[in-house]
Amino acid sequence: DTAVSQTPKYLVTQMGNDKSIKCEQNLGHDTMYWYKQDSKKFLKIMFSYNNKELIINETVPNRFSPKSPDKAHLNLHINSLELGDSAVYFCASTIGDEQYFGPGTRLTVT
Amino acid sequence: SQQGEEDPQALSIQEGENATMNCSYKTSINNLQWYRQNSGRGLVHLILIRSNEREKHSGRLRVTLDTSKKSSSLLITASRAADTASYFCATTTSGTYKYIFGTGTRLKVLA
Repeated sequence: DTAVSQTPKYLVTQMGNDKSIKCEQNLGHDTMYWYKQDSKKFLKIMFSYNNKELIINETVPNRFSPKSPDKAHLNLHINSLELGDSAVYFCASTIGDEQYFGPGTRLTVT
Repeated sequence: SQQGEEDPQALSIQEGENATMNCSYKTSINNLQWYRQNSGRGLVHLILIRSNEREKHSGRLRVTLDTSKKSSSLLITASRAADTASYFCATTTSGTYKYIFGTGTRLKVLA
């Protein structure tokens, strides 16, 4: 019954590695987002897709590449991971004004 | 930075007391929303107030909006230990899909 799910919940990896985070929503929403929440709890938008089309691309290093194979899925691939990428990444979906968030993926880069 | 500001950053109160947190933002908005985040979890939508509204209630929550001052407040009445969480405001602008979140207020309700 989970509305917005993310995998994995935890991800520990070394600098320089490439990793992916997956997000799925079963709400039938058209718009999905990736957010990064840093250690100070600041939540910043990274990307948004509307019906598989990229509509928001904030100032994010091009090591981060989102992919939306269909409107229920939005994945995030990160190349050449850096220490500063350590954070909690949240996926969210929207229809109308309210956002529905996933449980988050805690990424730790060592 | 477009990030909204919230104050206080942290608030500690006794159960049964009221909690008030404030949000200031920088641009014209379409609506303003409040979200709660429990430790280790995703954000959960609490309440939305549109730019042409001044006050809204939902259960123990009361939200006010002053567009002339670009500020909003969230009042939680008769707080409970279960209200312990971080609270974030988020604004949207007409014609965009972008949500801008505030810096958050960490609320601790002591039993």
